[in-house]
Amino acid sequence: GESVGLHLPTLSVQEGDNSIINCAYSNSASDYFIWYKQESGKGPQFIIDIRSNMDKRQGQRVTVLLNKTVKHLSLQIAATQPGDSAVYFCAETPDNYGQNFVFGPGTRLSVLP
Amino acid sequence: SQTIHQWPATLVQPVGSPLSLECTVEGTSNPNLYWYRQAAGRGLQLLFYSVGIGQISSEVPQNLSASRPQDRQFILSSKKLLLSDSGFYLCAWSAGEPQYFGPGTRLLVL
Repeated sequence: GESVGLHLPTLSVQEGDNSIINCAYSNSASDYFIWYKQESGKGPQFIIDIRSNMDKRQGQRVTVLLNKTVKHLSLQIAATQPGDSAVYFCAETPDNYGQNFVFGPGTRLSVLP
Repeated sequence: SQTIHQWPATLVQPVGSPLSLECTVEGTSNPNLYWYRQAAGRGLQLLFYSVGIGQISSEVPQNLSASRPQDRQFILSSKKLLLSDSGFYLCAWSAGEPQYFGPGTRLLVL
């Protein structure tokens, strides 16, 4: 909702270009990672996930890359569309317990016509 | 398929009034349920989680409470709201991983 992302970093891309959104995490024991998309006034929507035994996973127009060495996660969106405009945030957990998820503050993606 | 509902969508309440937010999940049994609060520019803050009926774990001490009277129903309550309780409240469910979120309730305490 409007309570989200008032002072978030913003990434502006031209429609049709590729977008790369980054997330740094601090827990070297983190084992499972998720990317969410949150449109204004709505709840977060699951996009894609990845486990620490992988370094890349692809979905429809999205790719998640995991670099465990530098504790960095990225979300790549191909051929960015106006409907991709939203806040994107990552989540991580070191185990299978949902209560241990840590959520990043997010990045606002703005798609320019 | 599974769906998660929250209501109301928006709520304006005076300071000191009670609160009841409801979350229900359809299409799954014995889900893990979660209540989060989302503040501007910050990550989601876990308030409560539940792994079964009547089982509630609190992550943040405050004037909020949660209950799970039925398998797929999760309620967030307060006896007396504070101004600082204003925010965007999200319910989520999971059957392992990942967590799926509801549409949220925007609460404004005046």
